[in-house]
Amino acid sequence: DAGVIQSPRHEVTEMGQEVTLRCKPISGHNSLFWYRQTMMRGLELLIYFNNNVPIDDSGMPEDRFSAKMPNASFSTLKIQPSEPRDSAVYFCASSLGLANYQETQYFGPGTRLLVL
Amino acid sequence: TQLLEQSPQFLSIQEGENLTVYCNSSSVFSSLQWYRQEPGEGPVLLVTVVTGGEVKKLKRLTFQFGDARKDSSLHITAAQPGDTGLYLCAGVNAGGTSYGKLTFGQGTILTVHP
Repeated sequence: DAGVIQSPRHEVTEMGQEVTLRCKPISGHNSLFWYRQTMMRGLELLIYFNNNVPIDDSGMPEDRFSAKMPNASFSTLKIQPSEPRDSAVYFCASSLGLANYQETQYFGPGTRLLVL
Repeated sequence: TQLLEQSPQFLSIQEGENLTVYCNSSSVFSSLQWYRQEPGEGPVLLVTVVTGGEVKKLKRLTFQFGDARKDSSLHITAAQPGDTGLYLCAGVNAGGTSYGKLTFGQGTILTVHP
C-alpha cells in the first residue's frame, strides 16, 4: 500500500493568499485526521472525519480554516487568507475507524507550509 | 481540556546509556500510544497500552501504563544512534464527543551520540 499521500510536500506563499492542502488516505480507511505541528504548540488535531462526515472541528483555529472530505479517498484543508502564523507542518492521518481504542493512525509525510 | 505533559523535552545522551521518558496527565485515557517521528516524516506508532499497569516490550524499549491510566513511561535500554528522533505520547479517548480523538504530548527530542 502507498500509505497516506499528501500534496504538496512544500508550499511557500505570501500572506493573504489561499492555500489548499490535499490528502489521500489509505484505501479502506474510514477515518481521516488533519493535524498541525509547530515547535511551540506541538502536534495539534485540527479536525477529523469518519465516513466522510466531520466529527470534531473544535481544533480548527479560525474561520480562515476549512476542511472537506467529498469522498472516501480525498480530503482538503484550505486556509484563506493565509497568515505568517499559519506556517507549520500539516499532517494528514487515516485509520480503519474510530470504534477500536487501539486503532492505529497512519500519518502522511506532511506538508511544510511557509507563509511570508 | 485533556492535557498530556511529557518530560524531558530534550534528551542528549551517549550510545549505551539508558533513558526514561515520562508522559503524565490529570485525565484518564482509554489507552495510550507512543509514536516516534523522524525528521521530514510523520509519526509512526510504536505501541498501544490499554490496561492499567500494563507493560509492553519492543526489543530495547519498555512501555508502561500507570495503574490509574493517567500516565505512562518509555524506557530505552542501551540507546543507539538509530534511536534518535522525536518521541510522542498520545492519549486515546473512547467515549463522549471526543470519541477516537488523540491528544498528543509536546514530545521528547532524543539525540543519541555515537
